[in-house]
Amino acid sequence: DARVTQTPRHKVTEMGQEVTMRCQPILGHNTVFWYRQTMMQGLELLAYFRNRAPLDDSGMPKDRFSAEMPDATLATLKIQPSEPRDSAVYFCASGLIGSRDQVFGPGTRLTVL
Amino acid sequence: AQTVTQSQPEMSVQEAETVTLSCTYDTSESNYYLFWYKQPPSRQMILVIRQEAYKQQNATENRFSVNFQKAAKSFSLKISDSQLGDTAMYFCALDHSGGGADGLTFGKGTHLIIQP
Repeated sequence: DARVTQTPRHKVTEMGQEVTMRCQPILGHNTVFWYRQTMMQGLELLAYFRNRAPLDDSGMPKDRFSAEMPDATLATLKIQPSEPRDSAVYFCASGLIGSRDQVFGPGTRLTVL
Repeated sequence: AQTVTQSQPEMSVQEAETVTLSCTYDTSESNYYLFWYKQPPSRQMILVIRQEAYKQQNATENRFSVNFQKAAKSFSLKISDSQLGDTAMYFCALDHSGGGADGLTFGKGTHLIIQP
């Protein structure tokens, strides 16, 4: 059963530290999405990639967040410097161009103290 | 802008009952997809059912079915013969891209509790 993998599953860090979250999409999938879930805002789209090219990152705070796909098997989301308001669950999802279905990873729960 | 609204923050029913979760949406696109996702306490997002806007027939997946009213922009989820394992957050989502997936817009969710 193909799965999206996310690491780490949990991360606790202090304000000002750099945080890197990693995602391994399902082999063969060519779209990757990053979402953030908070109690106040719910689930929000941060960024997405198609064939490793970033298509839209308008949902992301540009000054501190960055998303990349170094290769087809790895997507990263970095926060530098982190702030307490970044505390949330970050989900990665992958899919195929032409298909509307997205498979979600288990999420990374980030706590910034 | 696309919006998705779920007006029921929480619902509680007895096991084996039928329950309907409501969702309304707004989009200017003519070609779009609607989804219901389930998020149990494990927080894993699980696709429950999808509906293509150009299809008039309501989608069905075992005990799950939708009532899609395109003119009213309404997309409700019906769960028949509810089970304890159905207890979870349920999110309605809209994919409004014309071509391949461009990301989902989610509602705030409904917390469904199935009582034994």
